[in-house]
Amino acid sequence: AQRVTQPEKLLSVFKGAPVELKCNYSYSGSPELFWYVQYSRQRLQLLLRHISRESIKGFTADLNKGETSFHLKKPFAQEEDSAMYYCALSARDNYGQNFVFGPGTRLSVLP
Amino acid sequence: NAGVTQTPKFQVLKTGQSMTLQCAQDMNHEYMSWYRQDPGMGLRLIHYSVGAGITDQGEVPNGYNVSRSTTEDFPLRLLSAAPSQTSVYFCASSYSRDLNTEAFFGQGTRLTVV
Repeated sequence: AQRVTQPEKLLSVFKGAPVELKCNYSYSGSPELFWYVQYSRQRLQLLLRHISRESIKGFTADLNKGETSFHLKKPFAQEEDSAMYYCALSARDNYGQNFVFGPGTRLSVLP
Repeated sequence: NAGVTQTPKFQVLKTGQSMTLQCAQDMNHEYMSWYRQDPGMGLRLIHYSVGAGITDQGEVPNGYNVSRSTTEDFPLRLLSAAPSQTSVYFCASSYSRDLNTEAFFGQGTRLTVV
């Protein structure tokens, strides 16, 4: 079965420090992975997807199929990065094409 | 475009009451889905629809019904509310069922069942 794990419920870093939010997945097929972010009082929105290989708001994520990981990284955290981050796997299973979300990591960037 | 609109934003129900959570999108997306968000569990799929007139169950469908009479609307009905249904509910839509398609989310409905 598909599964996404995010081991940290809460991650606190100081402004300007590097940040890494961990994500591991289990999926028998070829994965499509995403990071979604939810800022305070806002809706869940796409941050980036691995297929695009892009950097959004300074964040990058590399798919490592050997380690089944898709960690989100930013070299210098900003206070406005404080939010809830969800790693998601787009999978085709008994439910059709759907997202499997991790439990989320709350990032708190301290001044 | 308004995107995905959910109503209400907050609701308190008594055990046994029924209600409908509304979801509408104006992006002409074929694919719509409902998730519930619980602490430590991420978002779990309740029901989904691949087009008007077509719905199917997700991971946690018990206690919920859906219908899809139009492309735009995908309401979620709680038949007889239970405290275990206290959660935050998100509606999402996407353009297609391709695996790399982005999902667009509503702002969520925070439901409390007492």
